[in-house]
Parts: sequence; structure tokens; C-alpha cells
Amino acid sequence: KNQVEQSPQSLIILEGKNCTLQCNYTVSPFSNLRWYKQDTGRGPVSLTIMTFSENTKSNGRYTATLDADTKQSSLHITASQLSDSASYICVVSDQGSGTYKYIFGTGTRLKVLA
Amino acid sequence: DTEVTQTPKHLVMGMTNKKSLKCEQHMGHRAMYWYKQKAKKPPELMFVYSYEKLSINESVPSRFSPECPNSSLLNLHLHALQPEDSALYLCASSQDRAANTGELFFGEGSRLTVL
Repeated sequence: KNQVEQSPQSLIILEGKNCTLQCNYTVSPFSNLRWYKQDTGRGPVSLTIMTFSENTKSNGRYTATLDADTKQSSLHITASQLSDSASYICVVSDQGSGTYKYIFGTGTRLKVLA
Repeated sequence: DTEVTQTPKHLVMGMTNKKSLKCEQHMGHRAMYWYKQKAKKPPELMFVYSYEKLSINESVPSRFSPECPNSSLLNLHLHALQPEDSALYLCASSQDRAANTGELFFGEGSRLTVL
């Protein structure tokens, strides 16, 4: 069964600190992996998209890495801000299904404290 | 314009009511999706429309009825819902196939409460 697992489930850090969120997946064949930020009660907003041939991609203070061999991805947030408090969701496209299915991880809830 | 617009933002309805959620995008995307999201859970796929035809129905109860009047609009008709259907309903769109690297854009969601 195709799965996407994220860790930790929740994380509390102080403003200005860095943090790294993890995503492990078993989706195969794999098409691409996305990281989304979702504020409470709002729609998810895309941070990065990576195909199997990409190892790293940055978007401002967000840097995603991908190891397609070990099926692991991470999202590193640098110099965190209060506005980074949100859920971060890892989403993997299942190319093998030939349809339009995106497999969502359960998310990491990040809280940044002043 | 890279937006998916959903209305209404909030909806409260009784179990005997009939209501609709609406979604609109003007990015020329040919795939549109409805997701249901409960608190602290990831979005769950409900329906996918591809080129205005229903492509995927994830065994959703018939009290939810999707409609795609044209390539820019997606509706979700609601009838005889149950309190457990209360959730955030998200609309999304993408260029076409999931296998490409195109963006999957989400709307802000419609918060539904069934009394």
C-alpha cells in the first residue's frame, strides 16, 4: 500500500531557530514530491515540488531535499518566524495509478514561539 | 491569476437542507478536485474531474453530488447531510495529469457545519 509518513507529528521551536521536518514514503512508481504549508482553517499552499531527479529545492527560507533511493525527503526551515506556525504536509504523486491521485502525509504541526 | 476561489467560506446547514459549494479557477486547468478535511487530518480525495468529466469518485455517499458545468467551475451539491460530514471542503485544480510537475492549487476551503 502506498503510504507517506511524516515526523515529528508536532514540533515547538523558538523564533529564529531552524528546524527540519521528515517525510518517508513507499509510493512506487514515484512521480514527484511536494511540500505544502497549511494554516489552520485555510487551504494548503505549495512550497516546493521535486521530481525523482532533483535532490534539493529552495523557496526562500524553506529548503526541501529528496533522496529517491531511500525514499526520504526533508523540509528545512531557516530562521523561523512566528508566521511559520502551521501544518506542513508532504504529498507524493502516484504515477503508477495513471490517474490523479496525490498521496498525503499526516502532516507536522509546527508552533513557533516568541 | 493563480487562484482557486471557493464560496461560501462558511456554511451552516441542517440535515434536511439542500446547499451547494462552489469553486472557480481561471488558470485554464483541466483537472479539478474536491477534498474533505477533518481537523488535524490530511485532505481526503472525494472527486476528480478531468476535462469536465467525472474521472474519480472515491466511493463518496450520494448525499454529495458533484457537478462541473464548464472547465472553470466545479460545484458540490449537498443534501441530507449528517453531522459527521462537518469538515473543511477543499477544491483544487491542476493543469491535467498528476504525473507531471505542475502545481496543484488549492482554494481556501469552505468550512461546513451540519447541525
